[in-house]
Amino acid sequence: EVQLLESGGDLVQPGGSLRLSCVTSGFRLDNHAMSWVRQAPGGGLEWLSAMGATGATTYYADSVKGRFTISRHISKNTLFLQLNNLRVEDTAIYYCAKGRSVIPRYFQEWGQGTLVIVS
Amino acid sequence: DVQMTQSPSTLPASVGDRITITCRAGQRTTGGLAWYQQKPGKAPQLLIYDASTLETGVPSRFSGSASGTEFTLTIDNLQPDDFATYYCQQYYRQIFGQGTKVEIK
Repeated sequence: EVQLLESGGDLVQPGGSLRLSCVTSGFRLDNHAMSWVRQAPGGGLEWLSAMGATGATTYYADSVKGRFTISRHISKNTLFLQLNNLRVEDTAIYYCAKGRSVIPRYFQEWGQGTLVIVS
Repeated sequence: DVQMTQSPSTLPASVGDRITITCRAGQRTTGGLAWYQQKPGKAPQLLIYDASTLETGVPSRFSGSASGTEFTLTIDNLQPDDFATYYCQQYYRQIFGQGTKVEIK
């Protein structure tokens, strides 16, 4: 059974940093593209970043490029998102999501999310 | 950048209705489109991918279609469990539509 469990969300001041983690099970990280998606309170879904299955290619939305960094630890089955220089508008629930294929396309499985509040 | 325009933003409906939600790409997209259902306090769930392929376990009353830059999600015989918010997502830069909340009329 595929499981994704995010953690690391917290209350942080503007300009601060956080590292989000997504511990996975039931599949190999190096067989699937993985992404981070966020949802502001009462808002819609916003894709942030993705990593291809090989780990060689990363992708970022313009809104977070240069501030957020996606990475992974294969042996720990964990995906990360480093959030730097946080802004009030980064307040959201952050989801990690598993793709079905090796390149980012759509999101087959989602975690339950972790809440980041910037205030 | 390719934008996705999803409509309507709110859709009042009744049990048993047939409803349609539309997403229109700002230009012809390279790649496909997926549809998700999200209930309050829960993560989104994949319904349809490649514009018209039903994800395993999704009821057959859900269907998707595409015509040029217009993509459609149809729900036949709307059930109480279907009242939720629906999002489209194009594969190119993983852009989401704005969402459609299907609410009880």
